[in-house]
Amino acid sequence: EAGVAQSPRYKIIEKRQSVAFWCNPISGHATLYWYQQILGQGPKLLIQFQNNGVVDDSQLPKDRFSAERLKGVDSTLKIQPAKLEDSAVYLCASSLKVGGLSGNTIYFGEGSWLTVV
Amino acid sequence: RKEVEQDPGPFNVPEGATVAFNCTYSNSASQSFFWYRQDCRKEPKLLMSVYSSGNEDGRFTAQLNRASQYISLLIRDSKLSDSATYLCVVNPLPGAGSYQLTFGKGTKLSVIP
Repeated sequence: EAGVAQSPRYKIIEKRQSVAFWCNPISGHATLYWYQQILGQGPKLLIQFQNNGVVDDSQLPKDRFSAERLKGVDSTLKIQPAKLEDSAVYLCASSLKVGGLSGNTIYFGEGSWLTVV
Repeated sequence: RKEVEQDPGPFNVPEGATVAFNCTYSNSASQSFFWYRQDCRKEPKLLMSVYSSGNEDGRFTAQLNRASQYISLLIRDSKLSDSATYLCVVNPLPGAGSYQLTFGKGTKLSVIP
């Protein structure tokens, strides 16, 4: 079974530029997540979708970050304009169901590594 | 108090040793608990869920103490391949709503030959 696909794997941009990351979840997974992992920290949830609706975006810095999942499958995460502190790994993840239900494992992609210089 | 706190590490142990990781969480209403493993420059992967009664999977044993808001992971007979960062993960929201997993910073384990 194919896992969560992300691209690009690596991106270096200058501050104030924009960047977009793409994610294709595991087939059939209704819920998609974007996490930010800064070096030395655990992942932090930015936004959670169920199908094409937003379930939780309380930790998304909405002045510069945006995300969409238009057809309930693929998703894009955009940062504009980027700041130095946005340097991190952006992890996309998916799960079959929504919520903290028993057996609802979250599967992560390999991540998109962003360096802002 | 941080939502999820872990031993700072790193833990450097010889092959065959037993090592224990501890984790505390701040939200007493938390319902779901997990240990994830993250290899260097890789994505986190679920190692095991943690149940109230405690659970074991081969060399790995996870325990939960709700009264103390404390989770532990015990690894017996450490292998070189166990070298990784172990992330304590809590779903702080009760019920089947937002699955906002909260991760600890992780504890790095290095198993030495």
